[in-house]
Amino acid sequence: EIVLTQSPGTLSLSPGERATLSCRASQSVSSNYLVWYQQKPGQAPRVLIYGVSRRATGIPDRFSGSGSGTDFTLTISRVEPEDSAVYYCHQHDGSSGFTFGPGTKVDIK
Amino acid sequence: QVQLQESGPGLVKPSETLSLTCTVSGGSLSNSHWNWIRQPAGKGLEWVGHIHNSGSTNSNPSLKSRVTVSVDTSKSQFSLNLRSVTAADTAIYYCARDPVDGYSHFDYWGQGTLVTVSS
Repeated sequence: EIVLTQSPGTLSLSPGERATLSCRASQSVSSNYLVWYQQKPGQAPRVLIYGVSRRATGIPDRFSGSGSGTDFTLTISRVEPEDSAVYYCHQHDGSSGFTFGPGTKVDIK
Repeated sequence: QVQLQESGPGLVKPSETLSLTCTVSGGSLSNSHWNWIRQPAGKGLEWVGHIHNSGSTNSNPSLKSRVTVSVDTSKSQFSLNLRSVTAADTAIYYCARDPVDGYSHFDYWGQGTLVTVSS
């Protein structure tokens, strides 16, 4: 089973700053199968980025994804107050199914 | 617009079976994997299992012996049975779609339903 580790655990930023979230995998992940989700309190997660760098429908272009192999990054170019949420990375490795990272909490003040 | 809605008991007794159903509207069950994901209060997400509209299934290795996922295409529903539950199975349970488009991702989610395991 591929284990995902996310850092930092919490990120506190001011509006307009850049957010860089890291996701590291214990083994190489197919570039088609690395996904980022955003989850706000009381809501279901929402897909932001899939296939490492493809923005999901309706996602603002301030969100971008990059990386390969075992190291992946979600970048929010200029954070806004509504970006306060927990962000999870997620991967699919075929026979073992899916795993999620533990999440990064982003707090915008 | 595809919509998913979970339904089922909110309280299950220890050692019994948790049974949930997800009803899909606004689209067919074709060409997708239909998933169950859970989230204990204040914790992260855990994939439980999925079924393809063809009937093939897979589940989390840590839960595999207790999980059954089934589909009823005539009702546009898929279901989760989790046997021999304990308090550790208390969580919000979400259903979600993974379109078979070459990129694995959960693009539509239900709102989630809280299931508590308690006597």
